[in-house]
Amino acid sequence: GAGVSQSPSNKVTEKGKDVELRCDPISGHTALYWYRQRLGQGLEFLIYFQGNSAPDKSGLPSDRFSAERTGESVSTLTIQRTQQEDSAVYLCASSRQGNTEAFFGQGTRLTVV
Amino acid sequence: GNSVTQMEGPVTLSEEAFLTINCTYTATGYPSLFWYVQYPGEGLQLLLKATKADDKGSNKGFEATYRKETTSFHLEKGSVQVSDSAVYFCALSDPVTGNQFYFGTGTSLTVIP
Repeated sequence: GAGVSQSPSNKVTEKGKDVELRCDPISGHTALYWYRQRLGQGLEFLIYFQGNSAPDKSGLPSDRFSAERTGESVSTLTIQRTQQEDSAVYLCASSRQGNTEAFFGQGTRLTVV
Repeated sequence: GNSVTQMEGPVTLSEEAFLTINCTYTATGYPSLFWYVQYPGEGLQLLLKATKADDKGSNKGFEATYRKETTSFHLEKGSVQVSDSAVYFCALSDPVTGNQFYFGTGTSLTVIP
């Protein structure tokens, strides 16, 4: 596609439920990133993929968070047993190999009630 | 390791004032440096970038110069407008770490008429 696409754009879920957030990067982009942005705050790094591998998972907040990427394309971020503190905008970005810019999706706004 | 430190906000300026947002970095290799902007209600988008020492990135009247000796990439604009109100993020991409992106925490700018 023309840009990074994330779905859903908005998700309201009950505390304790599992959610899956999807990211479709720009075709041909080998690097993919997930960030979390709480209301009024900066970007919190979650995980980075190079191809289908995740060399850096250091930002995942707890074992309730996991992510995978397949076919060097789509990535899914899964949050199990959601908590209210998980409420945030989850941003995905992708970039080509090399020191090129990262392109961001519009994000998924997750609200845990 | 790699990190980006940027000036804490929020910053409030009058229209036509001079803007500086400080950004310093640490990196293991020779990174590329970026400024991203997030306008209210929108996603992050690239504002400008510089890929090597002494390069100057510029766009929409904003400028930043890659200073290796001071490990800095300060954002400047000579005369801000109300439409520049946004959150600004400094970032680096380091080839030593596979071009993973590292973002600062963001600086909120509000320009008042």
